[in-house]
Amino acid sequence: DAGVIQSPRHEVTEMGQEVTLRCKPISGHNSLFWYRQTMMRGLELLIYFNNNVPIDDSGMPEDRFSAKMPNASFSTLKIQPSEPRDSAVYFCASSSSGGSWETQYFGPGTRLLVL
Amino acid sequence: SQQGEEDPQALSIQEGENATMNCSYKTSINNLQWYRQNSGRGLVHLILIRSNEREKHSGRLRVTLDTSKKSSSLLITASRAADTASYFCATDEDSGGSNYKLTFGKGTLLTVNP
Repeated sequence: DAGVIQSPRHEVTEMGQEVTLRCKPISGHNSLFWYRQTMMRGLELLIYFNNNVPIDDSGMPEDRFSAKMPNASFSTLKIQPSEPRDSAVYFCASSSSGGSWETQYFGPGTRLLVL
Repeated sequence: SQQGEEDPQALSIQEGENATMNCSYKTSINNLQWYRQNSGRGLVHLILIRSNEREKHSGRLRVTLDTSKKSSSLLITASRAADTASYFCATDEDSGGSNYKLTFGKGTLLTVNP
């Protein structure tokens, strides 16, 4: 299994531009998590999907952030418009059914820099 | 706010020595996990310990859990240079009644010098 796949690995963009991050979870996993990691705040849960349905988006910072999961093998996290404070590493993780006792499998992350 | 808090923030040891990292949390938990993150990579699950367990082993890893003190420790024995990474604990204490949310600490950066 290829594990969780994220693209792009690095993204440099200018303030105001739209950014789209992509994730392919492990086949057969029905739970997907988007996290943001910064030095100041550590690893924060942005949104959680179960069976392609957003269950908890309370961690999404503001309306500039949106996430979709159109099918079991693909999810996107979009930032529009982007701001310098959005600079961070964004991780996608998947697990079998989402329980807190389960292993979460993380992708390699997308390192985003907004100038 | 971050719930699971690791201590120390950074630890530097020589190859062959043991490394101990601690994690504290604030409220009751059902389980606690430890993850490792190599530089520039995603997190990798190491071990899970349930609230009714006190100690667990996996290879060179030993995890303890003291629910009365709301703390856990991760011991890596006979460390190797390849163990250099950040180590995070994750708990379900901030789940608000949900059964999916993990709250991660800010991690301990372990450096093992050859």
